Amino acid sequence: NAGVTQTPKFQVLKTGQSMTLQCAQDMNHNSMYWYRQDPGMGLRLIYYSASEGTTDKGEVPNGYNVSRLNKREFSLRLESAAPSQTSVYFCASTGTGGNTEAFFGQGTRLTVV
Amino acid sequence: QKEVEQNSGPLSVPEGAIASLNCTYSDRGSQSFFWYRQYSGKSPELIMFIYSNGDKEDGRFTAQLNKASQYVSLLIRDSQPSDSATYLCAVDSSYKLIFGSGTRLLVRP
Repeated sequence: NAGVTQTPKFQVLKTGQSMTLQCAQDMNHNSMYWYRQDPGMGLRLIYYSASEGTTDKGEVPNGYNVSRLNKREFSLRLESAAPSQTSVYFCASTGTGGNTEAFFGQGTRLTVV
Repeated sequence: QKEVEQNSGPLSVPEGAIASLNCTYSDRGSQSFFWYRQYSGKSPELIMFIYSNGDKEDGRFTAQLNKASQYVSLLIRDSQPSDSATYLCAVDSSYKLIFGSGTRLLVRP
């Protein structure tokens, strides 16, 4: 049972390049999330999806786009990467209504130079 | 004002002591509250969740919730060096899972 699978694990981008972070869960969860984690900042919510076909902005959505491709997959896209987007990114999923434990992917360490 | 607030620490306690971690939240409609532990370079992992006012105990861990004061705490009894980590408080706010900035705990042998 894989849980939440997030790829890639590491990535280095040049300023202005684009990339997509992939996330898939096999727990039939409705809600999925993308967070970024910077030193001393905890986890900050970028975007979330409460169900298939819906997405909403979180605390820090600027510079990102998301796509809930189906119930399993939720991708995060950086259209034009900036050094300020250097961070560790986590994907997570929860059951109905967010009223259950969140399961996390292994994280993506992104560096923008 | 941040939705979920925690003292960043570090909180340093000797081995065997009780560590007390605190969290306040702003959304009075929140119903679900979680404590996660995160080791350096790793993903967060759930320690406890609590939905009702009062205390909930699980082994060495006790979560306390006071909805009137919008306050959640985590007590760790008989702290061990292996408990040294960052502890993240999370709150379900309108179906968004919002995290605090975390409290770093150091347990001295």
